[in-house]
Amino acid sequence: TQLLEQSPQFLSIQEGENLTVYCNSSSVFSSLQWYRQEPGEGPVLLVTVVTGGEVKKLKRLTFQFGDARKDSSLHITAAQPGDTGLYLCAGGSSNTGKLIFGQGTTLQVKP
Amino acid sequence: ETGVTQTPRHLVMGMTNKKSLKCEQHLGHNAMYWYKQSAKKPLELMFVYSLEERVENNSVPSRFSPECPNSSHLFLHLHTLQPEDSALYLCASSQNGRNQPQHFGDGTRLSIL
Repeated sequence: TQLLEQSPQFLSIQEGENLTVYCNSSSVFSSLQWYRQEPGEGPVLLVTVVTGGEVKKLKRLTFQFGDARKDSSLHITAAQPGDTGLYLCAGGSSNTGKLIFGQGTTLQVKP
Repeated sequence: ETGVTQTPRHLVMGMTNKKSLKCEQHLGHNAMYWYKQSAKKPLELMFVYSLEERVENNSVPSRFSPECPNSSHLFLHLHTLQPEDSALYLCASSQNGRNQPQHFGDGTRLSIL
């Protein structure tokens, strides 16, 4: 069974701070997607990474896929209150192609 | 406008009731999914439909019955649910194929009394 472990599960920081969220597995994934979910809404895709070692930037967000395609990280620079939400990583199974989700990281950015 | 619309947004039902959740997508996708989201647990994939055929059923109890009449619509029929079935039910759609991003609706918050 493929599992994805996210850490930390909850993070509360002040506006302007930097943070990193980790997504780890012992399994290899064909891709890694990051989603953000706000209260009362469904998850929204932020990025997809497919190549080991790949780094993608989306404004203040930096996503990295591990060289072995078993882990990923999301780094936010100078967090804003608008970054508050639930961040979900999801790995594309190499065997079945379906997405395996982590349990999520709840981020709270206080003004 | 998410492109994936779920109704109703909230549903309270007794254990003996029968109700249905509806999902509609306007993105031209050919795969649709039902997920269950419970507090502090990963999203659980329940059913996958690809080209209107069910291709995955993740050991979901028979009190949940999906229906996909066409590529734009997906239903989840509910009957004799249990209190532990209270959760947020999310519908998603995508194109077929590996690494395709999924587009989610805003979910139905289901409470079983």
